[in-house]
Amino acid sequence: GAVVSQHPSRVICKSGTSVKIECRSLDFQATTMFWYRQFPKQSLMLMATSNEGSKATYEQGVEKDKFLINHASLTLSTLTVTSAHPEDSSFYICSAASGDSSYEQYFGPGTRLTVT
Amino acid sequence: GQNIDQPTEMTATEGAIVQINCTYQTSGFNGLFWYQQHAGEAPTFLSYNVLDGLEEKGRFSSFLSRSKGYSYLLLKELQMKDSASYLCAVMDSNYQLIWGAGTKLIIKP
Repeated sequence: GAVVSQHPSRVICKSGTSVKIECRSLDFQATTMFWYRQFPKQSLMLMATSNEGSKATYEQGVEKDKFLINHASLTLSTLTVTSAHPEDSSFYICSAASGDSSYEQYFGPGTRLTVT
Repeated sequence: GQNIDQPTEMTATEGAIVQINCTYQTSGFNGLFWYQQHAGEAPTFLSYNVLDGLEEKGRFSSFLSRSKGYSYLLLKELQMKDSASYLCAVMDSNYQLIWGAGTKLIIKP
C-alpha cells in the first residue's frame, strides 16, 4: 500500500518558537494533502487541505498565519506552527491522496508536539 | 449541520463478535470509511463503502444503508490486538471527510 511518512515523530519546543513538520508520500504522487489535529480522546479535526503548487484551503477557525502550510511538490507538504504556545500541543497528522484514488487517504504516523 | 454518531465505548470478549454502529447526516454522500486507530498512532484504513450492502474483508466486515444513513463495522473472532478506537468517516458532496468521534473498543480475555 501507499506509504506516507512524517518527521519528526515527536517534538518538544519552547513557547514562542516555531516548529516545522514534514509530510512525505514515499511511493506515490500526492496531488492533495490534508493536515489534521487530534486532541486526546477526540476525533480528527481537519485543519487545511493543500494541493501541490497552490495555496492551502484552511478550515474555519484555523489561523492561516499561525499554521503555515506549504505543498511544494507532489511528494512533500510542510506544516509550520509559528510562535507556538502550550495550547498548540497536540497530535498532528497528515494524509495524502493521489489523483488516481482521491477517495482514499493514506495517513502519516503523526507528530506529537509538546510546547513547554 | 453535518453529524456522525457512533458509540463512545464498547467492551467485548476475546473470540467473540462485536458490531460498531455509525449513523450519519451529511451534505451529500461519496462514501463511508472505517479506520482503526491505536492509542498514540495515526488511523489506518479498514474499509470503504459507497454502495448499499456488506463488504467482507477477513475478520472485518462493513455494512452500508444509504437510505437509513447507517453503517456498521463487524469484527469477528476478536483478538486482544483489536483493542483500539474505530473511526467512522463520511465523504460529503465536496469530497471532504466528516469524522465521527470514534468508538473505543475494549477487548477482555
